[in-house]
Amino acid sequence: DAKTTQPNSMESNEEEPVHLPCNHSTISGTDYIHWYRQLPSQGPEYVIHGLTSNVNNRMASLAIAEDRKSSTLILHRATLRDAAVYYCILTYSGAGSYQLTFGKGTKLSVIP
Amino acid sequence: EPEVTQTPSHQVTQMGQEVILRCVPISNHLYFYWYRQILGQKVEFLVSFYNNEISEKSEIFDDQFSVERPDGSNFTLKIRSTKLEDSAMYFCASTYPTARVSSYNEQFFGPGTRLTVL
Repeated sequence: DAKTTQPNSMESNEEEPVHLPCNHSTISGTDYIHWYRQLPSQGPEYVIHGLTSNVNNRMASLAIAEDRKSSTLILHRATLRDAAVYYCILTYSGAGSYQLTFGKGTKLSVIP
Repeated sequence: EPEVTQTPSHQVTQMGQEVILRCVPISNHLYFYWYRQILGQKVEFLVSFYNNEISEKSEIFDDQFSVERPDGSNFTLKIRSTKLEDSAMYFCASTYPTARVSSYNEQFFGPGTRLTVL
């Protein structure tokens, strides 16, 4: 399975934009890039996903490098509620049930 | 908004006892999953379930574990003889109502059951 690399932790000031990086140099052509987050004491929560093009939704934006070897999750205005562990996950494109393989993620702290 | 629910929120049991963790996936979803997270560690995949049978399972999911969809709404995880190392948060997840899950399907997670084995 293709692996992802994320910084262990990041800090942001409240109401500032946050750019969370993810490297996935061994990504294959059909792997989707997913981002999930896990708020303290809660289950993981879907944030966004993409394949090749940049994506926007109500929660965040996903910027994907042209060679797809890296991506960046962008939170446009961090709030205290965004403090969580953010996981960058590649979904296995082979046959199967596409279970998610979580790494350690990036722990985002938001400073008031 | 539909959500995945899990009961109980916290289960305490003695080593060697059987436990059943319950989940109610989103009603029109067809793929179901169990994951676990030992305190301070990564979320780990246990098993996926589709069309009333196990689709895939990890090395963790040994003979002590079983899953069942007994009545069309509940999805259960049974641990036959609990060990101390089974203490963890157990998360249920479900995904889209398509006949064949694809790699872009969003998984919806429940709030988890904290299992404590004494």
